[in-house]
Amino acid sequence: EPEVTQTPSHQVTQMGQEVILRCVPISNHLYFYWYRQILGQKVEFLVSFYNNEISEKSEIFDDQFSVERPDGSNFTLKIRSTKLEDSAMYFCASSGSFGTGELFFGEGSRLTVL
Amino acid sequence: DAKTTQPNSMESNEEEPVHLPCNHSTISGTDYIHWYRQLPSQGPEYVIHGLTSNVNNRMASLAIAEDRKSSTLILHRATLRDAAVYYCIPVPTGNQFYFGTGTSLTVIP
Repeated sequence: EPEVTQTPSHQVTQMGQEVILRCVPISNHLYFYWYRQILGQKVEFLVSFYNNEISEKSEIFDDQFSVERPDGSNFTLKIRSTKLEDSAMYFCASSGSFGTGELFFGEGSRLTVL
Repeated sequence: DAKTTQPNSMESNEEEPVHLPCNHSTISGTDYIHWYRQLPSQGPEYVIHGLTSNVNNRMASLAIAEDRKSSTLILHRATLRDAAVYYCIPVPTGNQFYFGTGTSLTVIP
């Protein structure tokens, strides 16, 4: 069964450092998403991406964050100048259709900022 | 975006049916109703979705009220593996999936 894969599974970084989280969506999917979940809290939407551009972003997704699809397979989330409050699970998801179809989620990347 | 109301938690005995309710009274006519679940320490997982008619798949059934202001996810025989947080998400066509706080289901052996 096709799946979304995310790397790394866990990253520890120092405050102020830059982090790149990587995702390989399902190969024929066109819509890509990043969500985050702070420990004990709900899953929060960050950004959606389609046709090589951001289609929607939340208030959380400020200038500290950026996304990119550098090649035909990877979808990355970059967090610049990390803060303690960026510590969370970051989930990538992909979908073959927009809004009406199923979202497939990866297992997540745990980011710990010290 | 349509607001949803779900019980914070529910319990079920193993091998018994579970009915997880969701109120979405502000839903619009074209919003699909999606259900996802999140098992402990895992990413969210798709369960089922529908628009107007009741839907069945290998995981669950979705019963949608005639006025579409509420829906019920039905797990026909709860197993220990079904212990998770269940999210009801109305999704407008062309819009995003916003997760609420969901219902935490405990399955009692």
